[in-house]
Amino acid sequence: DTGVSQDPRHKITKRGQNVTFRCDPISEHNRLYWYRQTLGQGPEFLTYFQNEAQLEKSRLLSDRFSAERPKGSFSTLEIQRTEQGDSAMYLCASSSYMQTSGVITGELFFGEGSRLTVL
Amino acid sequence: KQEVTQIPAALSVPEGENLVLNCSFTDSAIYNLQWFRQDPGKGLTSLLLIQSSQREQTSGRLNASLDKSSGRSTLYIAASQPGDSATYLCAPAPTGGSYIPTFGRGTSLIVHP
Repeated sequence: DTGVSQDPRHKITKRGQNVTFRCDPISEHNRLYWYRQTLGQGPEFLTYFQNEAQLEKSRLLSDRFSAERPKGSFSTLEIQRTEQGDSAMYLCASSSYMQTSGVITGELFFGEGSRLTVL
Repeated sequence: KQEVTQIPAALSVPEGENLVLNCSFTDSAIYNLQWFRQDPGKGLTSLLLIQSSQREQTSGRLNASLDKSSGRSTLYIAASQPGDSATYLCAPAPTGGSYIPTFGRGTSLIVHP
């Protein structure tokens, strides 16, 4: 297993353009998370999927953001009409989430991230 | 809402020192807590995960403790090396809703030879 893969690693775009990031999780991991990280800050939660279902979205995820996970495998995060404030590192993580007798196992494994620069 | 604070924000030490990094969180109702390291411009690497029922977890020179009732976790790094230089982040996963780990800002560590 090669771990979580993200593509592209770097993206420079002009304000107003659309961008799409892809994440390939560890195979058979049922959960996939998207986080955003700006310089000097910790990752902030954006959204997560369990299999193909998007179960929660942060209020940080404006209408310009959309995420999908068709067939419960890879996921895409699209940002429409990018703004300079969207410049950040977009991180994807996957986990094998299980709940057994009240104990949650769900160690997160992250990809290398996709760095977005909006000019 | 879970708030996570990490102290110190930055640390610079000579090689060989034993280190203590602190993580505190406001909501003590957690399933578990995970520690990560992050190298500049890179993603996060999982170091340790402590279940809420555990008090300690060890991996090599790393030892993490958890005091859930007081909302604190500590990462102990023994005999630090220059290769340990990175940002260390903690992320408790609260109960009472979806399993979504919440991150602090991290502790930036530099170990100089």
